[in-house]
Amino acid sequence: QKEVEQDPGPLSVPEGAIVSLNCTYSNSAFQYFMWYRQYSRKGPELLMYTYSSGNKEDGRFTAQVDKSSKYISLFIRDSQPSDSATYLCARFSYSGAGSYQLTFGKGTKLSVIP
Amino acid sequence: EADIYQTPRYLVIGTGKKITLECSQTMGHDKMYWYQQDPGMELHLIHYSYGVNSTEKGDLSSESTVSRIRTEHFPLTLESARPSHTSQYLCASSGSLRESNTGELFFGEGSRLTVL
Repeated sequence: QKEVEQDPGPLSVPEGAIVSLNCTYSNSAFQYFMWYRQYSRKGPELLMYTYSSGNKEDGRFTAQVDKSSKYISLFIRDSQPSDSATYLCARFSYSGAGSYQLTFGKGTKLSVIP
Repeated sequence: EADIYQTPRYLVIGTGKKITLECSQTMGHDKMYWYQQDPGMELHLIHYSYGVNSTEKGDLSSESTVSRIRTEHFPLTLESARPSHTSQYLCASSGSLRESNTGELFFGEGSRLTVL
């Protein structure tokens, strides 16, 4: 089983829709989670991170972690064409002595249609 | 805007050629990484470095090699390119956990390599 599973989509929604992007993970070691956004022909950039179970909001974006079911989600409210990108979830795990690892999902390609 | 740069952005080359993908960052980060990204697949870590003269292989086996002679520079070299090396290569860097508190990776824009 892969450490981070993510449906690659593609996902196409109309402008203004609420988007739900999801990942599951398998390792329960101390960790937190990140969402990266990658526009076409660009490198990924950090969108949000969250340490613990529950919700974290940043504008139109909400990151949610459910550690009991090992499920992480990113919600986008009032989606815009500029949100069209690939969204990658990532699990950060610390292995001690300054070493850490970031494990990425496959990314979900989102298209928001005007 | 992240200060990490990759060149070339696009490269088409014949089989057997030696290529070097350049990566430089101006953030003073100790940690640097090379990832390989194929459509619909996870980002795979192929090399990383935690400082000058430190290099390690990542999770995905790769025939490429890296060097870290200067903090800001982390080039990747393929001695003899093959069509199976066709991919996008992403360079990234990160500061210490004390600096960023998240281990955030800053990515370059990528180098898309096509080997004919």
